[in-house]
Amino acid sequence: DAKTTQPPSMDCAEGRAANLPCNHSTISGNEYVYWYRQIHSQGPQYIIHGLKNNETNEMASLIITEDRKSSTLILPHATLRDTAVYYCIVRVAGRDDKIIFGKGTRLHILP
Amino acid sequence: NAGVMQNPRHLVRRRGQEARLRCSPMKGHSHVYWYRQLPEEGLKFMVYLQKENIIDESGMPKERFSAEFPKEGPSILRIQQVVRGDSAAYFCASTAGTGGKEPQHFGDGTRLSIL
Repeated sequence: DAKTTQPPSMDCAEGRAANLPCNHSTISGNEYVYWYRQIHSQGPQYIIHGLKNNETNEMASLIITEDRKSSTLILPHATLRDTAVYYCIVRVAGRDDKIIFGKGTRLHILP
Repeated sequence: NAGVMQNPRHLVRRRGQEARLRCSPMKGHSHVYWYRQLPEEGLKFMVYLQKENIIDESGMPKERFSAEFPKEGPSILRIQQVVRGDSAAYFCASTAGTGGKEPQHFGDGTRLSIL
């Protein structure tokens, strides 16, 4: 079973920041938080990952709480192309294990 | 730099036939993962292979399904005597095997339809 909990769906207005929450209260010290998204009919796309520090790349920012029990993925200026299912995943560092996907959050960007 | 390539993109088979799905990992990647996505559901892990070795097949059905990743050529997921319940999207991912330091990169999948 997935070790994360996400809301099943969210709406966000185009041009606004989309903030997607994730709870991972049982995360271990050696587990990373990863985010992927799946746009309709495509394979999952890697977005970002982090251990305990906040991370930013060209796609998004990842904010991890100090106790690491939850995190937020931020898409700073959402566009219609960001409509997708977003998966929050925890993975053990140092291993090439499988990914266990949960149900994710279906993000709708509204024009 | 080509990504993970899967073919065919769409495959139609009749019940009882065999389906072969191919996956060419990203250049330099020697670790391959197969996942299955049933309609309106999330992705489920099937099998993890390195060149010529199956590392983890805990998600593979015990019968009719097999996977290989030969020394040369793509990884193959083979489904024998397909049934309607095998209709799904099958995704392949790859990594260079750096101990989890990099994410898995996915292909766009093969959509298998069973008539």
